[in-house]
Amino acid sequence: DQQVKQNSPSLSVQEGRISILNCDYTNSMFDYFLWYKKYPAEGPTFLISISSIKDKNEDGRFTVFLNKSAKHLSLHIVPSQPGDSAVYFCAASVRYGGSQGNLIFGKGTKLSVKP
Amino acid sequence: DAGVIQSPRHEVTEMGQEVTLRCKPISGHDYLFWYRQTMMRGLELLIYFNNNVPIDDSGMPEDRFSAKMPNASFSNLKIQPSEPRDSAVYFCASTLGLDNEQFFGPGTRLTVL
Repeated sequence: DQQVKQNSPSLSVQEGRISILNCDYTNSMFDYFLWYKKYPAEGPTFLISISSIKDKNEDGRFTVFLNKSAKHLSLHIVPSQPGDSAVYFCAASVRYGGSQGNLIFGKGTKLSVKP
Repeated sequence: DAGVIQSPRHEVTEMGQEVTLRCKPISGHDYLFWYRQTMMRGLELLIYFNNNVPIDDSGMPEDRFSAKMPNASFSNLKIQPSEPRDSAVYFCASTLGLDNEQFFGPGTRLTVL
């Protein structure tokens, strides 16, 4: 049973527009959420994270929103650039009272940004 | 810093053979993780170590899988005997403390024929 779900396997966006990647989770104990970005033939690289005490975290063009009541988070990329084309993984963990080592990943969403 | 180093990058072997995947974490990191990525199951944690000691191996699929970390600079993941369903990309990651991001290696693509 998937605890972290990324229901859209792929997303195509025009350069300069907003990309919105979504992630849902089922475990209400999760209190820390991360987004990783992965290019082909490379390992995932950390992009941005958010703690459950916040509902928004922003880093440049990247913003993560957390809706705890809906158990939903999203990653917004504005403006999207062709170099953002990659697979994006959502991950969650129980950071306090648990172990961040147990990162649970979604299956990823492949983002294509068209020039 | 060279980042997390994994070898080999690609491995093709025949069913029944022993496979050894290697990982060198980032110097100074005290946590090391092994993940497996497949189309069906996505990215799943197999095992992780803290200061060379295995902490959680509940993700290791079967007794055919074993992992060791003899020192802070090296870990290996062994599959013996290998089976076609073990074909996947295996990632190693390391971090300093559990509160920080994990840094991933480039992965080893394993194909078992």
